[in-house]
Amino acid sequence: GQSLEQPSEVTAVEGAIVQINCTYQTSGFYGLSWYQQHDGGAPTFLSYNALDGLEETGRFSSFLSRSDSYGYLLLQELQMKDSASYFCAVRSSTDSWGKLQFGAGTQVVVTP
Amino acid sequence: EAQVTQNPRYLITVTGKKLTVTCSQNMNHEYMSWYRQDPGLGLRQIYYSMNVEVTDKGDVPEGYKVSRKEKRNFPLILESPSPNQTSLYFCASSFRPGLPGANVLTFGAGSRLTVL
Repeated sequence: GQSLEQPSEVTAVEGAIVQINCTYQTSGFYGLSWYQQHDGGAPTFLSYNALDGLEETGRFSSFLSRSDSYGYLLLQELQMKDSASYFCAVRSSTDSWGKLQFGAGTQVVVTP
Repeated sequence: EAQVTQNPRYLITVTGKKLTVTCSQNMNHEYMSWYRQDPGLGLRQIYYSMNVEVTDKGDVPEGYKVSRKEKRNFPLILESPSPNQTSLYFCASSFRPGLPGANVLTFGAGSRLTVL
């Protein structure tokens, strides 16, 4: 089985940097994904890390450390539109590839 | 436009009245899956399908059925809905493992279901 933990809420001001951590417990692991969801909307894909290290996509970066069973999403130069929920998700390599588990989500609140 | 379409978007029904939530994608994706989202619990996988006629249980399959007779469609069936199935439901799709984009899920807009 697997479980993921991420903080429930993070608040920051515009222009700041926010790091959302995700720790997972899984017996075997394909990779870590991140999704963004605005209130009432559909989740949208942000990033995927299969290997250790940092992946950068514009203002957002995602990091993975397999040895520490840990990853994070870094949001830089925060904008009001970044106020949303962010979910990490994993696929266990000891289970079917099709099985995907999400964390409970981190609500990011950006203030002026 | 590449998309996943769910219907209905909103539904209020009563206990025991069978209902189907449809999901259709136009991206030729092999993989499709259903999730329910409840406050504080994130997205929990109900069922998934790796390809036509291949379906399997996720973490919370009780009370649900699915079918995958065509590649583009993956309906979610509630044979006898109960109030604990009141939730926001999302369908999602992607390419199969090994193909570019396999780990990029495209979600539908969601279906908010209330069972009285």
